[in-house]
Amino acid sequence: SQQGEEDPQALSIQEGENATMNCSYKTSINNLQWYRQNSGRGLVHLILIRSNEREKHSGRLRVTLDTSKKSSSLLITASRAADTASYFCATVDIISNFGNEKLTFGTGTRLTIIP
Amino acid sequence: NAGVTQTPKFQVLKTGQSMTLQCAQDMNHEYMSWYRQDPGMGLRLIHYSVGAGITDQGEVPNGYNVSRSTTEDFPLRLLSAAPSQTSVYFCASSYGDRYYEQYFGPGTRLTVT
Repeated sequence: SQQGEEDPQALSIQEGENATMNCSYKTSINNLQWYRQNSGRGLVHLILIRSNEREKHSGRLRVTLDTSKKSSSLLITASRAADTASYFCATVDIISNFGNEKLTFGTGTRLTIIP
Repeated sequence: NAGVTQTPKFQVLKTGQSMTLQCAQDMNHEYMSWYRQDPGMGLRLIHYSVGAGITDQGEVPNGYNVSRSTTEDFPLRLLSAAPSQTSVYFCASSYGDRYYEQYFGPGTRLTVT
C-alpha cells in the first residue's frame, strides 16, 4: 500500500508563480524525502527532512513537515520552465512490514510550468 | 563519477524469456536497491542489498532474483518474463541505507509481449 500520497495529482502554473505540493502519509516516520523526476529520467533527490524538523530550505525549495497531521508540503518559489517534472515524496517508515530497509514512494504530482 | 548506470535502456522480451538488467555504481555505496515504476503506482521496491553478499526482498520480489557479489554491481534477473513485468525499472544506491538520499539510475524500460 502507498504510504505517501501527493496532492494534487497534477498542477499547471504560470512561470514565476509559486507551486505547492502536499504529501500525506499514514504511519510514523523517521524522515521524509522529496524527489524530482523529469520525463524519461531517473529520480533526483531534492531535500530530506527529519521527523524532529518542521521546516527546511534549499534554494527555491521550502519543505514543511507536520508530524501531528502526518503531512508535508513542498513549495517551489518563482517557478521556471525547467521545474516542469513529477515530484514524489518518500517516507522512511519506523515500522515496516517488509524489513528494515525501505523507502515508500507516493504516486507523485505532475507539475507543468507554462512559459 | 558516472554515478548509477543501468543497461539496457530499452528491452522487449517475449513471455517466458529470461534476462538480466544491469546496474553499477562508482560511488562506493553499500546500499543498493531495485524499484519498478508503473503508472499510478509510484515506485515499488523489488529487492535491496545492504552490502556485498547480502540481499533481501522488498515489496514485490516475485519473479525477480538478485545477487551482490561486489560493492559496485547489483544485477536484477527476470527468471521467466510475464506481461505483468512490463514496467520501468530503476536501480538506486545510497551511502548508508534508506535514511539517506538515494541516487537513481536513468532506468530501463521493459516491455514483455
